[in-house]
Amino acid sequence: EGQLVQSGAQVKEPGESLKISCRASGYSFTSYWMGWVRQMPGKGLEWMGIIYAGDSDTRYSPSFQGQVTISVDKSISTAFLQWNSLKASDTAMYYCATRGITGVDALDIWGQGTMVTVS
Amino acid sequence: DIQMTQSPSSLSASVGDRVTITCRASQSISAHLNWYQQKPGKVPKLLIYTASNLQSGVPSRFSGSGSGTDFTLTISSLQPEDFATYYCQQTFTMTYVFGQGTKVEIK
Repeated sequence: EGQLVQSGAQVKEPGESLKISCRASGYSFTSYWMGWVRQMPGKGLEWMGIIYAGDSDTRYSPSFQGQVTISVDKSISTAFLQWNSLKASDTAMYYCATRGITGVDALDIWGQGTMVTVS
Repeated sequence: DIQMTQSPSSLSASVGDRVTITCRASQSISAHLNWYQQKPGKVPKLLIYTASNLQSGVPSRFSGSGSGTDFTLTISSLQPEDFATYYCQQTFTMTYVFGQGTKVEIK
């Protein structure tokens, strides 16, 4: 069964860059979409965007277009979420999640989350 | 963009109660609606996919219904482990918007 393991918590200063990762195992990485979800402290889930690992076709939420970059490295079955210049408002938990590896049209397997603190 | 609106935002219920949460889409999404459960400090978990299909391993007291713009998540007999926040999400378009969440608390 598929598993997603995300990189560890990060503490950064405003203006710094950051790239967090989500390593996939147990399924055919390049055959599925991988999404990213933000959860600010005490708040709900926000959809950021999704990438097809096979060809890097990427769709962003309008709220996050131009604010982050989603990418994959097929050679290491890993997806990335990247910021060029962090803001305090980027402080949040970030989850990666696959779409459909159990055969459903939903986010069925989730990573454990990466906490990003910008201060 | 499609907007997803859940109601209520929170509710208080007792163990054994029947609980219903509603999710409304701003336009028709057919049956492309999923429900997730999130407990405090935990990763979200898929409960229901494509409006009414129970994800493997999810207890049968959870059920979903609806199509078009109006959807419902029902917990037939609330259990202590069901106190959590529930989110709907549409997958009709590639902008997989979530509802704002419904927090189910102990009365």
